[in-house]
Amino acid sequence: EMQLVESGGGLVQPGGSLKLSCAASGFTFTDFAMHWVRQAPGKGLEWVARVRTYLNTYETAYAPSLQGRLTISRDDSKNTAYLQMNSLKTEDTAVYYCTRLSPTYGMDVWGRGTTVTVFS
Amino acid sequence: DIQMTQSPSTLSASVGDRVTITCRASQSISIWLAWYQKKPGKAPDLLIYKASNLQSGVPSRFSGSGSGTEFTLTISSVQPDDFATYYCQRYNGYPYSFGQGTKLEIK
Repeated sequence: EMQLVESGGGLVQPGGSLKLSCAASGFTFTDFAMHWVRQAPGKGLEWVARVRTYLNTYETAYAPSLQGRLTISRDDSKNTAYLQMNSLKTEDTAVYYCTRLSPTYGMDVWGRGTTVTVFS
Repeated sequence: DIQMTQSPSTLSASVGDRVTITCRASQSISIWLAWYQKKPGKAPDLLIYKASNLQSGVPSRFSGSGSGTEFTLTISSVQPDDFATYYCQRYNGYPYSFGQGTKLEIK
């Protein structure tokens, strides 16, 4: 069974940092770009960041509004993707989902999400 | 950047109704559009890929059409499990923009 499991969410004060993890299983992790998508309370889905595969030189990309505060990465030896979030703001409060992108199908496998709450 | 715009934002329907949601891209994205269903507390589910292809396991009452800049998601006969929020997304490149969502409510 293909599975993504996020962890690392929690409560943090403004200006703090968190590192989210996404552990993959049941598929060939190295074949897929990995993405993070978030949903703030009462809001829609927002694409956050992407890391491509080794063959695509692990190229990263970020939502323009979040650029500079995030770092996405992956460790293919551990089948895990990460999202380092710095200088957190209250508006970063959201459920963060990890997902893989199939070039054909789109985002076809999702984790259950991890909740980040930034409170003052 | 390409923007994705959905309409309507909210849609009220009864069980058995046929409903259609529209998604427009600010410039052509060919057929690189996906539709997702999102329920509270659950991860999004992929319904349609490449604008009109039904994802495995998705009921056939869901269908998608369109290309270029205009796309539609149709539910031919709404079922109780379909009341949720639906999102379109372009996925062929950066940024991987979602539409703002359409909430399907019980009339």
